[in-house]
Amino acid sequence: AQTVTQSQPEMSVQEAETVTLSCTYDTSESNYYLFWYKQPPSRQMILVIRQEAYKQQNATENRFSVNFQKAAKSFSLKISDSQLGDTAMYFCAFTPGSNYKLTFGKGTLLTVNP
Amino acid sequence: SQTIHQWPATLVQPVGSPLSLECTVEGTSNPNLYWYRQAAGRGLQLLFYSIGIGQISSEVPQNLSASRPQDRQFILSSKKLLLSDSGFYLCAWAREAEAFFGQGTRLTVV
Repeated sequence: AQTVTQSQPEMSVQEAETVTLSCTYDTSESNYYLFWYKQPPSRQMILVIRQEAYKQQNATENRFSVNFQKAAKSFSLKISDSQLGDTAMYFCAFTPGSNYKLTFGKGTLLTVNP
Repeated sequence: SQTIHQWPATLVQPVGSPLSLECTVEGTSNPNLYWYRQAAGRGLQLLFYSIGIGQISSEVPQNLSASRPQDRQFILSSKKLLLSDSGFYLCAWAREAEAFFGQGTRLTVV
């Protein structure tokens, strides 16, 4: 069974600064995908960024980037130039390539302060 | 483009009453479909997933059941709700390992 661990229940950052959210996972699968989802107060789940395990290059989406360390089974999310609208719960998620079952971490509540 | 509809948005039901939450997907065929529950604003727990009509996998033993009567329709049901069934329920579909979520249903059992 796969597990996803987010060790930071809550974090805060000042507007315009950079913050990194941590995530580790455990799996015996060789082919898998990793994701970061954002859940704002509206509770709509929004995909922030995805990473295929077979790709060595770290994914980047505008101000969001990941540090994917496959051997260490680590998948952290860096948010640059934080904005007030980034305030949300962030979930790290894992899915094997075989069945697309998503396993989520417990989430990190990020607050961006003005 | 693909869209996912989930209803109702909120629901208050008495203990012992039945439940039916519906989810439909448009713009795609034979999607993988999922029901998740989120308790106390924290992590999402996978309840059921389906890879095709009539094919349902249950991830956790519970008071709930799921059905997929049509290719793009996924229903979460209960015959008798418990207080512990309260929570936020999310339907999702997946394509190429990427999941897309509905707006969610906040269920309160009183």
